[in-house]
Amino acid sequence: GQQLNQSPQSMFIQEGEDVSMNCTSSSIFNTWLWYKQDPGEGPVLLIALYKAGELTSNGRLTAQFGITRKDSFLNISASIPSDVGIYFCAGPGNQFYFGTGTSLTVIP
Amino acid sequence: ETGVTQTPRHLVMGMTNKKSLKCEQHLGHNAMYWYKQSAKKPLELMFVYSLEERVENNSVPSRFSPECPNSSHLFLHLHTLQPEDSALYLCASSHPGSPGAGNTIYFGEGSWLTVV
Repeated sequence: GQQLNQSPQSMFIQEGEDVSMNCTSSSIFNTWLWYKQDPGEGPVLLIALYKAGELTSNGRLTAQFGITRKDSFLNISASIPSDVGIYFCAGPGNQFYFGTGTSLTVIP
Repeated sequence: ETGVTQTPRHLVMGMTNKKSLKCEQHLGHNAMYWYKQSAKKPLELMFVYSLEERVENNSVPSRFSPECPNSSHLFLHLHTLQPEDSALYLCASSHPGSPGAGNTIYFGEGSWLTVV
């Protein structure tokens, strides 16, 4: 089946720094989704990408759909403490496939 | 508020108990899912219902029994669970059929289950 590899697995950054994480797939996706999960809560959709090359922003978050359709990137600018959580990428195929997550810690 | 509501949010049960998790979605979707999320593990798909019919059962033990009475409601009936079943159980919904371009999955807040 399709696998989504997400990196880095974890990040520890200072408040105010920018963050970048990515997700790669062994197969082509037609949609890329990015979620954030707070401790003890369900994942919440941050950004959805539907077209290769698409660049979409949601506040301080920016995500890009890779031109090869096998990867996607999520950037967070000027991080703040509430950005703490686990970020997941996902893509729909025969089912929804999820990355293993990037755990983000923001140090005030 | 994601449009997918799960109850209870927390549940502690003994290994001989019978309990149920409930999920309700208000998004007009026709596909609903149960996922299990254990500590430091990826999301594990348990069950998929599309148009109220079960289309996927990823070899889940029979002590977990799903029920989908209509397109807005999904239950997970639990009986004789084991301590290793303790996890966060997530309900989700999407449009029906094979997920394709433009399809998006929305999650509930999760039900924390502890088996003692």
